[in-house]
Amino acid sequence: ETGVTQSPTHLIKTRGQQVTLRCSSQSGHNTVSWYQQALGQGPQFIFQYYREEENGRGNFPPRFSGLQFPNYSSELNVNALELDDSALYLCASSLWGDRGAFFGQGTRLTVV
Amino acid sequence: GQSLEQPSEVTAVEGAIVQMNCTYQTSGFYGLSWYQQHDGGAPTFLSYNALDGLEETGRFSSFLSRSDSYGYLLLQELQMKDSASYFCAVRGRDDKIIFGKGTRLHILP
Repeated sequence: ETGVTQSPTHLIKTRGQQVTLRCSSQSGHNTVSWYQQALGQGPQFIFQYYREEENGRGNFPPRFSGLQFPNYSSELNVNALELDDSALYLCASSLWGDRGAFFGQGTRLTVV
Repeated sequence: GQSLEQPSEVTAVEGAIVQMNCTYQTSGFYGLSWYQQHDGGAPTFLSYNALDGLEETGRFSSFLSRSDSYGYLLLQELQMKDSASYFCAVRGRDDKIIFGKGTRLHILP
């Protein structure tokens, strides 16, 4: 148990819809990163939030957006869903500058 | 930008030792970490190297050479439960963690 929880665990959406995924970070952690992991691939960095500010972004379009709240929990929003958005979405929490990050169990998103 | 290279698959025998390599290119570097991921599970942090040399944690050891932009993860006394994917990840100066595509470890009885 890492103390990082994500909801929902599974989700099915239709192409064109919007989705919000949620993450509660481990107590004391001020940094949250979101990753997309396709089957058989490594986690791809979407963006990172540090103290409620976006602190860097990977190669993802603007329809991927996020928020971090004062309690350091976070949301990932994806608009205009596409079939290729089907993946496991992972949230990782860490303390800025720490050695490693702790992952939640992920949200499996299927777009049909 | 950052990129990491790992072999896609490695096969080893139960009880043996296996080494999984990682080479990286990055514009800024703080350290190299390793994660284990079982099928259907989330990545789990294993180890971290910020300086050259070997770090040992039980059956797991991780090595880093900053001058060669190279590291490896060594697993000893392999057990069937070690069958998983192993990812190296670079932590850059901006504190982002970027992952490689991972090595799938198959263990034969």
